[in-house]
Amino acid sequence: ETGVTQTPRHLVMGMTNKKSLKCEQHLGHNAMYWYKQSAKKPLELMFVYNFKEQTENNSVPSRFSPECPNSSHLFLHLHTLQPEDSALYLCASSQERYPNTEAFFGQGTRLTVV
Amino acid sequence: GQQVMQIPQYQHVQEGEDFTTYCNSSTTLSNIQWYKQRPGGHPVFLIQLVKSGEVKKQKRLTFQFGEAKKNSSLHITATQTTDVGTYFCAGRNSGGGADGLTFGKGTHLIIQP
Repeated sequence: ETGVTQTPRHLVMGMTNKKSLKCEQHLGHNAMYWYKQSAKKPLELMFVYNFKEQTENNSVPSRFSPECPNSSHLFLHLHTLQPEDSALYLCASSQERYPNTEAFFGQGTRLTVV
Repeated sequence: GQQVMQIPQYQHVQEGEDFTTYCNSSTTLSNIQWYKQRPGGHPVFLIQLVKSGEVKKQKRLTFQFGEAKKNSSLHITATQTTDVGTYFCAGRNSGGGADGLTFGKGTHLIIQP
């Protein structure tokens, strides 16, 4: 248990579905992140939030929509995804967004788009 | 943009042998972090290096940060089956820009008993 909880752990969705991934951290951290982990690519940073404000969007398609209602919760809303979006989606948090802090990862949501 | 390359991609060793993974960045890093991901698990932080030429040890693991702060290595002495997993390096660009970490592709360590 890392203090970062992601739900659901597994998700299968059709290309026309709308679903949401949830992340919650109990560490009192200020920054939260979404990463995508595919089989043959490095961990890809998708979004960064610091004090609930989005500070980075790494050219992520608009079919992925993040939401950060408070410093403890982060959502990733999904709609009209493609099969190539199938991957492990990892949420992470850190104390602050400046360089000298470690990231705590959740266990991830294994997403399959059919 | 910043790129972090890691080699080798896969490493098979006999239990008890040593293991090393290397990480190279296309840009100077403000710091470098190392993570381990067990099969089916999530990345877990191991260590952070900040200073040029820094060397840190954790039991059988030795981490080094290059003098130019563009490369790093992780060396495991006398591997054990519990060392199985993927080892990632991750860095932040010292020139500013992204606040999130840029990860290498990782080195998969496979240990044969």
